[in-house]
Amino acid sequence: DAKTTQPTSMDCAEGRAANLPCNHSTISGNEYVYWYRQIHSQGPQYIIHGLKNNETNEMASLIITEDRKSSTLILPHATLRDTAVYYCIVIPNTGNQFYFGTGTSLTVIP
Amino acid sequence: GAGVSQSPRYKVAKRGQDVALRCDPISGHVSLFWYQQALGQGPEFLTYFQNEAQLDKSGLPSDRFFAERPEGSVSTLKIQRTQQEDSAVYLCASSRGGSGRLVEQFFGPGTRLTVL
Repeated sequence: DAKTTQPTSMDCAEGRAANLPCNHSTISGNEYVYWYRQIHSQGPQYIIHGLKNNETNEMASLIITEDRKSSTLILPHATLRDTAVYYCIVIPNTGNQFYFGTGTSLTVIP
Repeated sequence: GAGVSQSPRYKVAKRGQDVALRCDPISGHVSLFWYQQALGQGPEFLTYFQNEAQLDKSGLPSDRFFAERPEGSVSTLKIQRTQQEDSAVYLCASSRGGSGRLVEQFFGPGTRLTVL
């Protein structure tokens, strides 16, 4: 199964863009990149996913490199409510498990 | 609208007791997942149901763990003879797709189990 590597923690000033990187150098051609976040004491929340092309929704943008070995989640205007652990997940090509890893703890600073 | 609900939200058990954790998925969702989240770690997959069929139970850590979804909706995760290492948050998720993994999973708030 493809593994992901994320920084343990990051800070971002309120109102600025938060750019969260993820390395997935062993990703297979038919594997998707998913991003979830988990606010303290809540269940994980879906943010966005993509295969090859960049994606944007009301929450965030996902930039995937051309070789698909890494991606960046962008929160365009971070707010204090965006403080959470962000998980980058590559969907395995067998089975139904999501491998969450330890994620990036993002702290938005006033 | 109603999301995934789990009960109880908190459970304290003495070592050796049996516990049952309930998950009510979003109505009509075909797939249901259970995860275990230890303190400071990401969720770890336990088991997966498609309707009433348990298609994958490879993540269950021991034969003390048992999950069922007899009518394809509500699911129960049962832990027999609880041990201290079972202390964790147990998360349930559901998704509308039959494949499960390529469709957004909606998570419940979790049940925090503490084994004394």
